[in-house]
Amino acid sequence: EVHLLESGGGLVQPGGSLRLSCAASGFTFATNAMTWVRQAPGKGLHWVSAIDGSGAYTYYADSVKGRFTISRDNSRNTLFLQMNSLSADDTAVYYCAKNVGSAVAYDCWGQGTLVTVSS
Amino acid sequence: QSALTQPPSASGSPGQSVTISCTGTGSDVGGYNYVSWYQQHPGKAPKLMIYEVSKRPSGVPDRFSGSKSGNTASLTVSGLQAEDEADYYCSSYAGTIVLFGGGTKLTVL
Repeated sequence: EVHLLESGGGLVQPGGSLRLSCAASGFTFATNAMTWVRQAPGKGLHWVSAIDGSGAYTYYADSVKGRFTISRDNSRNTLFLQMNSLSADDTAVYYCAKNVGSAVAYDCWGQGTLVTVSS
Repeated sequence: QSALTQPPSASGSPGQSVTISCTGTGSDVGGYNYVSWYQQHPGKAPKLMIYEVSKRPSGVPDRFSGSKSGNTASLTVSGLQAEDEADYYCSSYAGTIVLFGGGTKLTVL
């Protein structure tokens, strides 16, 4: 069974940093692109960043470019999101999601981890 | 990077059909066949219902169907059931990024 489990969320002060992890199991992690999507409280889904299976290609929303870094460790079946210079606008539940093969669609999602940016 | 446009709400009675629209531009919905639809129940993670405009993942009932015309994609739910009540989000590839719609709350009357 495909399973994704995020961790690393929490309360952080404005300007601070946080690193999210997503542990994957039940599929061949290294052959799948992976994505981070966030959802602010009471709001809709917002695409954040994606990475190809090898880790060679990364993509970012303009709102996080230069502040967030996506990466992966295929030997540990783990996806990461390093978040720097956080602001209140980054407060959200962060989901990691598995891409459907080469399609730009996500067929498995984690349960999400809440990031709260507040002083 | 503007979000795709969805109606905030839609409704229908059990057994009826309802269609939710998702409007973008030629740079996203109209330019690629990478439109997806997600269902999200309160407090839960999203679930993929349709991908590549009209493909259904295994396990998704055939009551759910997708289509696209020009810059507008649509999700149709036929034979509405109580458990279909949820938020629905469309998404589209837009070059090197992905856009989501603002979401539509589907109410089963």
